[in-house]
Amino acid sequence: DIQMTQSPSSLSASVGDRVTITCRASHSIYNYLSWYQQKPGKAPKLLIYGASSLQSGVPSRFSGSESGTDFTLTISSLQPEDFAIYYCQQGYSTPYTFGQGTTLEIK
Amino acid sequence: QVQLVESGGGLVKPGGSLRLSCAASGFTFSDHYMSWIRQAPGKGLEWVSYISSSGTTIYYAGSVKGRFTISRDNAKNSLYLQMNSLRAEDTAVYYCASSAFLGHGMDVWGQGTTVTVSS
Repeated sequence: DIQMTQSPSSLSASVGDRVTITCRASHSIYNYLSWYQQKPGKAPKLLIYGASSLQSGVPSRFSGSESGTDFTLTISSLQPEDFAIYYCQQGYSTPYTFGQGTTLEIK
Repeated sequence: QVQLVESGGGLVKPGGSLRLSCAASGFTFSDHYMSWIRQAPGKGLEWVSYISSSGTTIYYAGSVKGRFTISRDNAKNSLYLQMNSLRAEDTAVYYCASSAFLGHGMDVWGQGTTVTVSS
């Protein structure tokens, strides 16, 4: 199975900050990497697919990048509604594993 | 509008069975790949199972293989998950989700249905 390791597990930041969340795959997954945002009591929401493609309707302050087996989600200027849990997921081979999640909290 | 609605969750005893359903609307269900994902209380997301748009290709997580069966009825725009031999560790919110492109993200999610396995 491909392991997805997210870091950090939690992060405190302020409105307007630029934040970066990283996900490392244990094997090559090419660009089969998606990022999701989940708020309490809600279903996850797709933000990024194909490592760097922005899902329709998602604000442009969200972006994704890849370097080998390392993937990054960047929020350029945090907004109050961005405080949530973020997950990466690989779609290259089954089981389609998720990272353990990164909790983004208000400082 | 584009929507997935799960149903069928509930309280079941260990060893029991449950069948979850997911009704799709607002998009061409038969063109989409479908998955079940679960989330145990206070925990992260766990992918459970996948079925191709035609239903011919199916995958399971190791933790449910041999106990859970995914299926779909494209004529009824519905996805199912038959869960047998349930264990306490299967307690979770179960989400169905759809993908337009295999491996490139699940763009539509249901609201989830809660399964509790307890005596």
